[in-house]
Amino acid sequence: DAGITQSPRHKVTETGTPVTLRCHQTENHRYMYWYRQDPGHGLRLIHYSYGVKDTDKGEVSDGYSVSRSKTEDFLLTLESATSSQTSVYFCAISESRDRVGPLHFGNGTRLTVT
Amino acid sequence: DAKTTQPNSMESNEEEPVHLPCNHSTISGTDYIHWYRQLPSQGPEYVIHGLTSNVNNRMASLAIAEDRKSSTLILHRATLRDAAVYYCILRRSGYSTLTFGKGTMLLVSP
Repeated sequence: DAGITQSPRHKVTETGTPVTLRCHQTENHRYMYWYRQDPGHGLRLIHYSYGVKDTDKGEVSDGYSVSRSKTEDFLLTLESATSSQTSVYFCAISESRDRVGPLHFGNGTRLTVT
Repeated sequence: DAKTTQPNSMESNEEEPVHLPCNHSTISGTDYIHWYRQLPSQGPEYVIHGLTSNVNNRMASLAIAEDRKSSTLILHRATLRDAAVYYCILRRSGYSTLTFGKGTMLLVSP
């Protein structure tokens, strides 16, 4: 497995509370991504990062923010969790100078918002 | 993004070859063809990718049509562990992101 650790692996939280998910990599890859996966929607990109302090939005970024203060960590924050954010969240990394190479995914964080 | 079309599901028997098709008729010259698979309760796993020529690695082979409008992922001998959802995705050179479709669910019978 690529050196990707997502934490926590499971979390249950209440509506309206802030939640932060962490993705940690040991590969020194430049690109990091956050996806969510829901039945009927497949995998959708939330945010991605192309370097320290460099991030951009994906297709479902509303309600999420990210930060990348160092190469190895990419944080996903739900400022005020809602039930619609119940999902499985996957982090991915990629090191491809021409941006055509593979992404490697973590094992996911299952988040339940009650 | 150029789209891909895959069958919703396919079935195979263990130890038989499996050919998973993907159509991408609007592919552009800078689109790489990527394949990933996702086993139950796991994150997606990279399988193989290519641009124009056929590619082989320890997991699978990728056969790309001469006009690049379609491709086929070949698993040479299916095992029960190959039962997964297989995604065919186009990744455009110079673009950082990857857009997943619904994929093909491969069922493997003993």
